[in-house]
Amino acid sequence: AQSVTQPDIHITVSEGASLELRCNYSYGATPYLFWYVQSPGQGLQLLLKYFSGDTLVQGIKGFEAEFKRSQSSFNLRKPSVHWSDAAEYFCAVDDTGTASKLTFGTGTRLQVTL
Amino acid sequence: EAGVTQSPTHLIKTRGQQVTLRCSPISGHTSVYWYQQALGLGLQFLLWYDEGEERNRGNFPPRFSGRQFPNYSSELNVNALELEDSALYLCASRIGGHYSNQPQHFGDGTRLSIL
Repeated sequence: AQSVTQPDIHITVSEGASLELRCNYSYGATPYLFWYVQSPGQGLQLLLKYFSGDTLVQGIKGFEAEFKRSQSSFNLRKPSVHWSDAAEYFCAVDDTGTASKLTFGTGTRLQVTL
Repeated sequence: EAGVTQSPTHLIKTRGQQVTLRCSPISGHTSVYWYQQALGLGLQFLLWYDEGEERNRGNFPPRFSGRQFPNYSSELNVNALELEDSALYLCASRIGGHYSNQPQHFGDGTRLSIL
């Protein structure tokens, strides 16, 4: 069964610093990969997606992610974090071939200090 | 363009009661997904509906059920509520069909509290 691992439960960064959130997946084929963000009391907002092609994908709010097949990773990055980026971030894998569901990681809570 | 809308936003029930949650997908989306986000358990897939049919089901008991209407809106029903059903229930929609490389878009959820 496919799985997603986000090894960092909680990360704190200073405003203006760079950010990298880690995501590793376990899946037999090339997966469809996503990053979502959830602010307190709200639903999930799609940041970016990877289906195929260029392994560096750009998303909204200045985020990007790089798919590395050799490392089974899809890490999320942002060069300069803003206080409004404080939220919970979820990496997810789509069950490719059936498009039947998303499997989520446990999430990384990002705290931004001023 | 309106996003995925869910109602109600909050709900308080007692053990043993029944509840119905509602979801309206983005216009043009035919697939609707339901997820449960319970404290300590993360986001878990519940149900997938496409073109009015249940296509896939997560590892939940039969008291969790739902349906999709001809206008592609959906209901999630939970019978015989238990304390552990307290969670945020998220609905997502997607341009439908199998093998569709389109992302799921989520609503803001319904917060269900069981007393």
